[in-house]
Amino acid sequence: GAVVSQHPSWVICKSGTSVKIECRSLDFQATTMFWYRQFPKQSLMLMATSNEGSKATYEQGVEKDKFLINHASLTLSTLTVTSAHPEDSSFYICSAREPVYNEQFFGPGTRLTVL
Amino acid sequence: GENVEQHPSTLSVQEGDSAVIKCTYSDSASNYFPWYKQELGKRPQLIIDIRSNVGEKKDQRIAVTLNKTAKHFSLHITETQPEDSAVYFCAASKGGNTGFQKLVFGTGTRLLVSP
Repeated sequence: GAVVSQHPSWVICKSGTSVKIECRSLDFQATTMFWYRQFPKQSLMLMATSNEGSKATYEQGVEKDKFLINHASLTLSTLTVTSAHPEDSSFYICSAREPVYNEQFFGPGTRLTVL
Repeated sequence: GENVEQHPSTLSVQEGDSAVIKCTYSDSASNYFPWYKQELGKRPQLIIDIRSNVGEKKDQRIAVTLNKTAKHFSLHITETQPEDSAVYFCAASKGGNTGFQKLVFGTGTRLLVSP
C-alpha cells in the first residue's frame, strides 16, 4: 500500500521556539495532504488542508499565522508550529490522498512536547 | 458543516463475541465512510470503507452497513480477538471530481477484548 512518512517522530522544545514537521508521500504523488492534531484520548481534529502550489485551507479556529503550512512539491508538506507554547503539545498526524484509489494514508505522527 | 457522532465511547467484550459500533452523520451529501483502527501512539489504519452506492460491505470478520436515509453507518466485528483491542474511529467525507474531500472523524470507541 501507499506509504506516508513523517519527521521527526517526536520533538521536545522550549516555549517560544518554532518546530517544523515534515510529511512525505513516499511512493505516490499527493496534490492534497491534510494535517490533524490529536490530544490524548481524543479524536483527530483536522487543522488544515494542504494543496500543492497553493495556500492551505485552515479549519475554523486554527490560527494560520501560528501553524504555517507549505506544500512545495507533490510529495512534501511541512507544518511549522511558530512560537510554540505548552498548550500546543499534542500528537500531530498528516495524511496524503492517494490519487488512484482515493484513500487517505496517514503518517506515523509526531509527538510534540513544549516545555 | 458535517458532524459525526459515534457510540459507544467504550466497549468491552469477551473473546469470540461480536462488537458493533455505530455512527451518525449530519450532511446528506457525504458519500464516503471509512473506519480506522488506531493502536496507542500509532497512526490510524484503514480497516474498511463504504461508499454511498452500496448498503453493506464485508471483509472477513469485519463488515460495515450504511443507511443513507437515516444517515447512520455501523461497524460489525465478529469473533473478536484480543488483538482487535484498539480505538476505532468512523469518518465521513464528500466526494467530487477531484476526489474525496476532508474527513470528519467521530469521537472514537475504545474496544477492549478480554481473553
